[in-house]
Amino acid sequence: GAVVSQHPSRVICKSGTSVKIECRSLDFQATTMFWYRQFPKQSLMLMATSNEGSKATYEQGVEKDKFLINHASLTLSTLTVTSAHPEDSSFYICSANTGTFQETQYFGPGTRLLVL
Amino acid sequence: EDQVTQSPEALRLQEGESSSLNCSYTVSGLRGLFWYRQDPGKGPEFLFTLYSAGEEKEKERLKATLTKKESFLHITAPKPEDSATYLCAAMDSNYQLIWGAGTKLIIKP
Repeated sequence: GAVVSQHPSRVICKSGTSVKIECRSLDFQATTMFWYRQFPKQSLMLMATSNEGSKATYEQGVEKDKFLINHASLTLSTLTVTSAHPEDSSFYICSANTGTFQETQYFGPGTRLLVL
Repeated sequence: EDQVTQSPEALRLQEGESSSLNCSYTVSGLRGLFWYRQDPGKGPEFLFTLYSAGEEKEKERLKATLTKKESFLHITAPKPEDSATYLCAAMDSNYQLIWGAGTKLIIKP
């Protein structure tokens, strides 16, 4: 149980294009989903927290117009990197829990984004 | 300021050589201490959650313990497949997770 999937697993795009990453909870309803970014050999950096049906809460320093998050259903959240640039290249990982505050976060497999 | 520090940064062991990874935390109102395993190019895989000092949890060759200041991940007779980066995270009073930088564990056959 508690399986989270992400699609695509890796994407290469040209500078200036937008990229959408999907995060799905496969066997549970995810009231809360989280988006992280991870640079090589570094730990996870929380970008935003999203609750189904409401606007995402972004961490300080994360541009909400750059990283659009939509949590349209209890099993799907999407992260769109708009007008991507090479500095946006990174490993993006989503996680989900059922919304109970102390609930464990279950992570997706991650999406490797390379912007040329 | 809330902080989580993991040590060592990297640990190389021979297969079968038991050891422990440390996760020290200074977090106000700890609500939970989480351990994850992360393989290269993958998302973190949940291992344990500990909620109170004195609590212990085990899974195969791994055992996690918690005190008021730190958590240990003990690995007994490790195998090469236990090689990974182990991450710990502490949940503060605002339900925010504060992540450590991880310990890269390498088990040599």
